[in-house]
Amino acid sequence: QQQVKQSPQSLIVQKGGISIINCAYENTAFDYFPWYQQFPGKGPALLIAIRPDVSEKKEGRFTISFNKSAKQFSLHIMDSQPGDSATYFCAATRTGNQFYFGTGTSLTVIP
Amino acid sequence: GAGVSQTPSNKVTEKGKYVELRCDPISGHTALYWYRQSLGQGPEFLIYFQGTGAADDSGLPNDRFFAVRPEGSVSTLKIQRTERGDSAVYLCASSSSGGPGDEQFFGPGTRLTVL
Repeated sequence: QQQVKQSPQSLIVQKGGISIINCAYENTAFDYFPWYQQFPGKGPALLIAIRPDVSEKKEGRFTISFNKSAKQFSLHIMDSQPGDSATYFCAATRTGNQFYFGTGTSLTVIP
Repeated sequence: GAGVSQTPSNKVTEKGKYVELRCDPISGHTALYWYRQSLGQGPEFLIYFQGTGAADDSGLPNDRFFAVRPEGSVSTLKIQRTERGDSAVYLCASSSSGGPGDEQFFGPGTRLTVL
């Protein structure tokens, strides 16, 4: 059973546009929701994370929106740049337990 | 300081052989995680160490997989009687304590190919 479902599988955005990636989770006990960025041949790197006691977190061009009642959270990349082209993974965990990752979104930002 | 390192970066082996994959976590990090990432998929949890002990090994797929961390730093993932389905990138991550919101720092992974 997929604990975290991610969409879309791939995304193409023009430079300067907004990239939006969505995730949904099942377990209401999850209390930490990170997003990771992965470049080819590299391990995932933490981009931004949120806890369920807030509905939004912003760091620079990256924003997480969190909807606890719908059990959904999304990543918004504002003013997308070609350097943002990578694979993005959402994840969810209950503190002290394993992380469950989504299946990834391949983002391509066209110059 | 140095990040998480993994060796080898690539490993090609034949079906039925034994392999060992090594992870050097960030110095001082007590929590260490192993994941497996198949092509086009997200990392899949295998095992989590807190210090020398395996706090959660529920992700190990079967008894051919085993991991150790004898001194609480370097960890080795061991796979016996490898099968073609074991081919994947094996990722290691470490965090300072495994506590709430602790960032996991990932290594570059070991790409295992079983022929």
